[in-house]
Amino acid sequence: NAGVTQTPKFQVLKTGQSMTLQCAQDMNHNSMYWYRQDPGMGLRLIYYSASEGTTDKGEVPNGYNVSRLNKREFSLRLESAAPSQTSVYFCASSSTALELAPNYGYTFGSGTRLTVV
Amino acid sequence: GEDVEQSLFLSVREGDSSVINCTYTDSSSTYLYWYKQEPGAGLQLLTYIFSNMDMKQDQRLTVLLNKKDKHLSLRIADTQTGDSAIYFCAEYPPGTYKYIFGTGTRLKVLA
Repeated sequence: NAGVTQTPKFQVLKTGQSMTLQCAQDMNHNSMYWYRQDPGMGLRLIYYSASEGTTDKGEVPNGYNVSRLNKREFSLRLESAAPSQTSVYFCASSSTALELAPNYGYTFGSGTRLTVV
Repeated sequence: GEDVEQSLFLSVREGDSSVINCTYTDSSSTYLYWYKQEPGAGLQLLTYIFSNMDMKQDQRLTVLLNKKDKHLSLRIADTQTGDSAIYFCAEYPPGTYKYIFGTGTRLKVLA
């Protein structure tokens, strides 16, 4: 099925370990996003890529890096994991700026549940 | 700062109407959105409203917008157990390429 695929679905890390969360979309979307979801705090934007070749910081970028590998793939890296990064991470994509296509919204992956101990 | 506020929990009986409220912050937001998140899944777009509209109806869903008070609401008629989920409102300030999401309201439907 077309959509946004995230891997892995679950991960447990020890403090100080590194890992990369993978995200791929097959809808030929231009823009991709990484969010984290924490109880009572909604979704907070970590990084986004408005188009291939560009990345920008969101609300909570500290402790993370991203790579827009190509139009399909947008990865999120934790260089030295901390317990505060325990969260559910969502990748999303959109075809274009929503002003041009408001009815499409974002397409979200099913999430990666990360625990840092 | 940018805060989109929602109450955290709502509980209703099956068959009743649910009303989920949201207060947003950026009056320049052209579109306002509602997303639904079912357990263990990502968010799915439910509906959206253009800022020059007061109301939009889509089957069991009614969206009301009070632009003066920056208040958005989602009414679900004849609420069913399958409507149990977290509902997020989101604003989309033009030119920013990104949403500002609310905290989410967890709707529990009692049989």
